Amino acid sequence: DIQMTQSPSTLSASVGDRVTITCRASQSISSWLAWYQQKPGKAPNLLIYQASSLESGVPSRFSGSGSGTEFTLTISSLQPDDFATYYCQQYNSFPCSFGQGTKLEIK
Amino acid sequence: EVQLVESGGGLEQPGRSLRLSCTASGFTFGDYCMSWFRQAPGKGLEWVGLIRGKGYSVTTEYAASVKGRFTISRDDSKDIAYLQMNSLNTEDTAIYYCSRGRAAIISYYFDYWGQGTLVTVSS
Repeated sequence: DIQMTQSPSTLSASVGDRVTITCRASQSISSWLAWYQQKPGKAPNLLIYQASSLESGVPSRFSGSGSGTEFTLTISSLQPDDFATYYCQQYNSFPCSFGQGTKLEIK
Repeated sequence: EVQLVESGGGLEQPGRSLRLSCTASGFTFGDYCMSWFRQAPGKGLEWVGLIRGKGYSVTTEYAASVKGRFTISRDDSKDIAYLQMNSLNTEDTAIYYCSRGRAAIISYYFDYWGQGTLVTVSS
């Protein structure tokens, strides 16, 4: 099974900051990676698929990059609505697996 | 508009069974993979399993933690996916989400999610 590890687990930042979250896979997953945002009490929301493709309707301040085993999610200028928990998910093979999550907090 | 609505959650005793439903609307249900996930209180997301659409012979995949206890099925005439959960234990306590899968080469990512239904397993 492929293990996904995110860092950091918690990130404190301010509105307007540029932030980057990293996701590492235990083996190569090519570009088969998605990123989700989850707010408290809500379902996850797809942000990025195939490592760098922006889902329709997602603001352009979100971007993804990487391939193989290392990936990043970048938010170019944090907005108040962006404070949430972010998860990466690999879909290179079964079982589907998620990172443990990165909680983005207001500094 | 795509909508997914889970139902059937509640309180159940260890060893008992529960069936969750996911009612879909706004898309051609039979063409899509449907998946179930869960999230234990204060924890991260865990994939439970999925059922492919008719174009992929309606086959299923499961996480090791539920294989042999949980069964996913679908009724394309009603646009409903089901999660039958047997031999429940306290570690199955979680919010359960259904989601629509978008196909990649082998596996899927998930573009629409329901609001979730809470399953509590306790004596």
